[in-house]
Amino acid sequence: AQSVAQPEDQVNVAEGNPLTVKCTYSVSGNPYLFWYVQYPNRGLQFLLKYITGDNLVKGSYGFEAEFNKSQTSFHLKKPSALVSDSALYFCAVRDWWGSSNTGKLIFGQGTTLQVKP
Amino acid sequence: DVKVTQSSRYLVKRTGEKVFLECVQDMDHENMFWYRQDPGLGLRLIYFSYDVKMKEKGDIPEGYSVSREKKERFSLILESASTNQTSMYLCASSLLGAHYEQYFGPGTRLTVT
Repeated sequence: AQSVAQPEDQVNVAEGNPLTVKCTYSVSGNPYLFWYVQYPNRGLQFLLKYITGDNLVKGSYGFEAEFNKSQTSFHLKKPSALVSDSALYFCAVRDWWGSSNTGKLIFGQGTTLQVKP
Repeated sequence: DVKVTQSSRYLVKRTGEKVFLECVQDMDHENMFWYRQDPGLGLRLIYFSYDVKMKEKGDIPEGYSVSREKKERFSLILESASTNQTSMYLCASSLLGAHYEQYFGPGTRLTVT
């Protein structure tokens, strides 16, 4: 079965410190992977994606993610956290069941990032 | 910029009422999606559509139906609302293709009393 897991419900980090939000996946086809962020009372915003190529993907707001095929992981990272990064983060993987063109995604349960001043 | 709008930010309905949630996107996207978001469960797909008048069930379609009469508009219908349908509902759209990201609306927080 295809799935994505975010093992931490919450991550706490001090402002200025590096942050990592973890994501692991299980898929039957090529792992197309996505990260989204949700600020309070808002919809999800796209941060970055891995489709193919370089394992280190750069995205919006200074975030990056590292694709690791052997560990089936796609962890989100940022070198220096800001208080304004505090939000709910979702990892998602392309669902290969059925039509290949529908762009269906399977989402993780989300990780709350809390950055303290 | 892609814009996805949803008809209401907050909605309160009574048990048994028929509820319509509307979603409109302005970027000519082929795919449109309806999700519900509940704490600890992430996003769960209710229905999606890849073309006008086409629809497919997602993971949790029971109690819901959808309509897509125009490319830009995708409606979610709760035929007879129940309290267990109290949730945040998110609409999204994307281009046709496996590698495209989805763009989300602001969400509708529905409370069924």
